[in-house]
Amino acid sequence: DVVMTQSPLSLPVTLGQPASISCRSSQSLVYSDGNTRLNWFQQRPGQSPRRLIYDVSKRDSGVPDRFSGSGSGTDFTLKISRVEAEDVGVYFCMQYRYWPHTFGQGTKLEIK
Amino acid sequence: EVQLVESGGGLVQPGGSLRLSCAASGFSFPIYWMNWLRQAPGKGLEWVANINPDGSEKSYVDSVKGRFTISRDNAKNSLYLQMNSLRAEDTAVYYCSQSTASWGQGALVTVSS
Repeated sequence: DVVMTQSPLSLPVTLGQPASISCRSSQSLVYSDGNTRLNWFQQRPGQSPRRLIYDVSKRDSGVPDRFSGSGSGTDFTLKISRVEAEDVGVYFCMQYRYWPHTFGQGTKLEIK
Repeated sequence: EVQLVESGGGLVQPGGSLRLSCAASGFSFPIYWMNWLRQAPGKGLEWVANINPDGSEKSYVDSVKGRFTISRDNAKNSLYLQMNSLRAEDTAVYYCSQSTASWGQGALVTVSS
């Protein structure tokens, strides 16, 4: 199975400051159609996961533009330009290039 | 608005069976791949199974192969997960998802004697 490795696993951030989460895959996630199959999810406490970013950098509808995704091949990053209180939760990357689709361990973002 | 509502969770003894259902609305259910995922208490996310739009292609994670069956009824806009020979390690919140873009609220399955 493709292993997805996130860092850091815990991320204390001051309100208004930027935050960055790294995700590395054990194999390239580039598909034959040229797209890279990597998504980012947010899970707020007590809620279901919510997709934020798909195909590395495309923001889902309703996702604030302070969230951005970047990367290629096997190395990816989720950035929050200015952290707000509502951003507290766990963030997961997920690959869907190979079956079974696999998730990173999750990064817990908290307010410092 | 996309809505996915899971039902059928509960407490079951090891070796028992349970059938989860997911009622979908707000989108054209018959044209989407659908998925079941799960999250053990305090743990990360795991893909369980997926099914193509007409139900002819199904994939399962190795840990559930031969025990779980995913199916769908496009006329009823519904997705199902038949779970047999349940084990303690199957204890989790099970989520129904439309192409990962939308998720239900989850159904808790607890396998314990």
